[in-house]
Amino acid sequence: AQSVAQPEDQVNVAEGNPLTVKCTYSVSGNPYLFWYVQYPNRGLQFLLKYITGDNLVKGSYGFEAEFNKSQTSFHLKKPSALVSDSALYFCAVRDGGGNNRKLIWGLGTSLAVNP
Amino acid sequence: GAVVSQHPSRVICKSGTSVKIECRSLDFQATTMFWYRQFPKKSLMLMATSNEGSKATYEQGVEKDKFLINHASLTLSTLTVTSAHPEDSSFYICSAREGGTGGRQPQHFGDGTRLSIL
Repeated sequence: AQSVAQPEDQVNVAEGNPLTVKCTYSVSGNPYLFWYVQYPNRGLQFLLKYITGDNLVKGSYGFEAEFNKSQTSFHLKKPSALVSDSALYFCAVRDGGGNNRKLIWGLGTSLAVNP
Repeated sequence: GAVVSQHPSRVICKSGTSVKIECRSLDFQATTMFWYRQFPKKSLMLMATSNEGSKATYEQGVEKDKFLINHASLTLSTLTVTSAHPEDSSFYICSAREGGTGGRQPQHFGDGTRLSIL
């Protein structure tokens, strides 16, 4: 069965420090992995995805994520956090080899960047 | 590109009212659209997947007669909450994905509809 885990309900970092939001997954085939961000009372915005190729994926707003097959992880990172990065972050996975069209979502991690 | 418009953004109405929410892909054709419900500070709950021209596929536990979904064109899907009650109050979000990509393309989301039933 497909699953996604975001082990941290909340992450706090100081502005200017590097940030990491963790995500691990489980699929039977090759994973299609996605990160989204949600600001209050808004829909989700796509940040980046991994389908195939280079394990380090760069996305919007200076975010990047590294696909680690052996650890089945896809952690979201940013070298220097901004207060405006404070939001809810979701990781999602789809089994690339399956017929199921839907994404499996993590429970979300609330990121707070303190000035 | 890849803009999804969701309307209305907020609805406040009396119990028993039916409410229609529209989801439009403005600059791409969406063969598949998704409807989610989100509870406060909680993850997304997929309600149903709709494909243009066919019946929606509902997730387990979602009443299809309560939440009517229509995907009549490649750019428009609607969700109608019939005879809404206070327990239906929630944040409803739609998303759309371009077709023919084998699921490699991301879903693009509307800004959500805050539904409050009095």
